Amino acid sequence: GENVEQHPSTLSVQEGDSAVIKCTYSDSASNYFPWYKQELGKRPQLIIDIRSNVGEKKDQRIAVTLNKTAKHFSLHITETQPEDSAVYFCAAKKGSGGSYIPTFGRGTSLIVHP
Amino acid sequence: NAGVMQNPRHLVRRRGQEARLRCSPMKGHSHVYWYRQLPEEGLKFMVYLQKENIIDESGMPKERFSAEFPKEGPSILRIQQVVRGDSAAYFCASSTDSYEQYFGPGTRLTVT
Repeated sequence: GENVEQHPSTLSVQEGDSAVIKCTYSDSASNYFPWYKQELGKRPQLIIDIRSNVGEKKDQRIAVTLNKTAKHFSLHITETQPEDSAVYFCAAKKGSGGSYIPTFGRGTSLIVHP
Repeated sequence: NAGVMQNPRHLVRRRGQEARLRCSPMKGHSHVYWYRQLPEEGLKFMVYLQKENIIDESGMPKERFSAEFPKEGPSILRIQQVVRGDSAAYFCASSTDSYEQYFGPGTRLTVT
């Protein structure tokens, strides 16, 4: 089955710095890679996703890059703000539609110091 | 369009009791997934259902746990004879035939 590794487990940055979280996956058939943000005591929320036919996707201060050859993808947050503090999960999923189960990484706790 | 709804939000059960967790998917979503999350851990897949069908239950413990998604009404995750190790946050998510899954607020189960 799919195995997703996520690093680092904890990331501490100063407000205004950039943050990068990296994930690797094992199944080359995986073709959909979402990122979720989970604030303390709240639900995971989809913040950005990328499909395997795209190398990079950007949405304001967040971006995701995908390297299919190396089987890794990364989340980049620029100009971090204290409200970015949360746990971020990556996931990898194969197949089409809702019929396949995503495999999640263990999460990265991002702390942004004001 | 209301998001994914879960109830109760908090549930306290004594060892040996039954816990029943409910999930109403987003309108138009026919796929429901249940996940378990232990403190400071990731999301562990439990079961994937469509209306009246269990599609994949490979993450579900073999005993005491069951799930259903009836033709009418919410999806239900049922845990019989709860033990302390069942204490966790249980999230459901729903999707259409597209890739994106949307999560509910979770049910925090505490077994005393």
